[in-house]
Amino acid sequence: DVKVTQSSRYLVKRTGEKVFLECVQDMDHENMFWYRQDPGLGLRLIYFSYDVKMKEKGDIPEGYSVSREKKERFSLILESASTNQTSMYLCASSRTELNTGELFFGEGSRLTVL
Amino acid sequence: KNEVEQSPQNLTAQEGEFITINCSYSVGISALHWLQQHPGGGIVSLFMLSSGKKKHGRLIATINIQEKHSSLHITASHPRDSAVYICAVRPDSGGGADGLTFGKGTHLIIQP
Repeated sequence: DVKVTQSSRYLVKRTGEKVFLECVQDMDHENMFWYRQDPGLGLRLIYFSYDVKMKEKGDIPEGYSVSREKKERFSLILESASTNQTSMYLCASSRTELNTGELFFGEGSRLTVL
Repeated sequence: KNEVEQSPQNLTAQEGEFITINCSYSVGISALHWLQQHPGGGIVSLFMLSSGKKKHGRLIATINIQEKHSSLHITASHPRDSAVYICAVRPDSGGGADGLTFGKGTHLIIQP
């Protein structure tokens, strides 16, 4: 069964802390994505990667960075968490054919920043 | 700018009813996705289509490219179908940085 696994389902952090969200996929997909989801706003793309060590900014990259050292792993980093980064974070992956590739999502990580 | 509108935003129905969720978009697209999100957060891809109609079990998705409209139907609805259903389109050009524009979702509740 194909799978996208996010390391933490629920996290509570304090303002200013560094936060790592990990995502691993076992489908040998080239493309990986980080989204955040907020009520009334839908899914918004933070960063994506189409290959190892490659990364591209999405629509809302401010306050975030990413790392892709291995094909199967894509990490989202909040260098200094702020309360407005309280959200649901979703990782996804797909094959290279961006125009036709089905998206596979993780279970989500709900982050609360106090 | 591409807009993706879903209707209704919220829908409550009785078990067994036929359900229709609509998605309209404003630009030419290469593909449309229907996604399902259960309470707790995980999202599952239901369909990806670029023309015509697809069926999987009790779920049917249709798309009319000329009218820029897609519908998701659920036959013989069941409480386990309760979820948020999200439409996402891949425009021929533009859209978000990964090419997808998402609707805000339709929150469906099926009561026993």
